Amino acid sequence: EVQLVESGGGLVQPGGSLKVSCGASGFTFSGFDIHWVRQASGKGLEWVGRIRSKTNSYATAYAASVKGRFTISRDDSKNTAYLQMNSLKTEDTAVYYCTRHNGYSSSPFDFWGQGTLVTVSS
Amino acid sequence: SYVLTQPPSVSVAPGKTAWITCGGRNIGSKTVHWFQKKPGQAPVLVIFYDTDRPSGIPERFSGSNSGNTATLTISRVEAGDEADYYCQVWDSDSDHPVFGGGTKLTVL
Repeated sequence: EVQLVESGGGLVQPGGSLKVSCGASGFTFSGFDIHWVRQASGKGLEWVGRIRSKTNSYATAYAASVKGRFTISRDDSKNTAYLQMNSLKTEDTAVYYCTRHNGYSSSPFDFWGQGTLVTVSS
Repeated sequence: SYVLTQPPSVSVAPGKTAWITCGGRNIGSKTVHWFQKKPGQAPVLVIFYDTDRPSGIPERFSGSNSGNTATLTISRVEAGDEADYYCQVWDSDSDHPVFGGGTKLTVL
């Protein structure tokens, strides 16, 4: 059974940092790109960024709203992806989801994690 | 960047048909996916590649895509279908996915 499990969310002050994780099981993690998508309370889904597979040189890309502040990485030996969030702003408060993608742009996000809540507040 | 426009809300009586639209410039030339999102739950893929249903999704869910509008159709709507629905495409110019703003489906 394919599973994605996010962890590491919590309360952080504005300007602070937090690193959340996405643990995977039930599929060949190394063969998939991992994307992060967030949803603020009462808002829609917003793409945050992605890291490609080793085949595509672990290339990363980010939404303009987080570029320069967020970094995505992965450890295929641990079947885990990470989202390092620095210089956090109150508007970064959201549930953060990881989802897998096979790397072909037209393909869907077929499995998602349950999400982890990140709250940025003083 | 590419913009997808969805109506904020759609209401339908049980047993009737709901149509949720997703507008975008020449969206018919793109591949559209649809997700169901309930509070506190992960998004669920309900339609992919415009018209295909993942295993486990009822046949009541169907999709179409032409011109400037993609449509998610839910036939014989049930109370359990009440959720937010999001369309998604890949923006080739920016090389990243784009989501519509979401449509809240209310079952009367």
